[in-house]
Amino acid sequence: RKEVEQDPGPFNVPEGATVAFNCTYSNSASQSFFWYRQDCRKEPKLLMSVYSSGNEDGRFTAQLNRASQYISLLIRDSKLSDSATYLCVVKGGSYIPTFGRGTSLIVHP
Amino acid sequence: EADIYQTPRYLVIGTGKKITLECSQTMGHDKMYWYQQDPGMELHLIHYSYGVNSTEKGDLSSESTVSRIRTEHFPLTLESARPSHTSQYLCASSARTGEQYFGPGTRLTVT
Repeated sequence: RKEVEQDPGPFNVPEGATVAFNCTYSNSASQSFFWYRQDCRKEPKLLMSVYSSGNEDGRFTAQLNRASQYISLLIRDSKLSDSATYLCVVKGGSYIPTFGRGTSLIVHP
Repeated sequence: EADIYQTPRYLVIGTGKKITLECSQTMGHDKMYWYQQDPGMELHLIHYSYGVNSTEKGDLSSESTVSRIRTEHFPLTLESARPSHTSQYLCASSARTGEQYFGPGTRLTVT
């Protein structure tokens, strides 16, 4: 079992839709959680950290469920510009983050 | 925007050549990383560093080497490039809180 698993998608949604991605992790000692966005042939960029109580940044909401060992990302009112690959990142006690393979999102008109 | 830079951005080179990919950051981060990523595929960690004079190999076996003589500089060297080294190489550094910041990448083609 991979340490961090994501549904690769693609998730194909119309503009304005709400879409959610999940990411499961296997190491119960994981301490830090992040969502990154990667556009085609570009570098990953930090979208948001994920806090235990959940957190929101505009149209984006991240949640952490430690009991079930998953994190989620909810995007409301999808825009065409949200089309990208969303990477889940989990970090344990070491300095080495573990990346998921990413979930592809395509927002169409 | 994060202050992490990579040069060159694109490189086409013949088999057997020695190359060095440069990575510099001005954020004072102790931890730095090199990743390899093929188009549409996942990131693979090839090297990392906890700080000056510290280097470790990552999960993906790589024929490259790295050095960390200064905090801000983490170059990656391929002694003898091969077509199998064709890929995108991404450098990153991380803050104490764990967030990583990536450079724009070097797209390497070995002919």
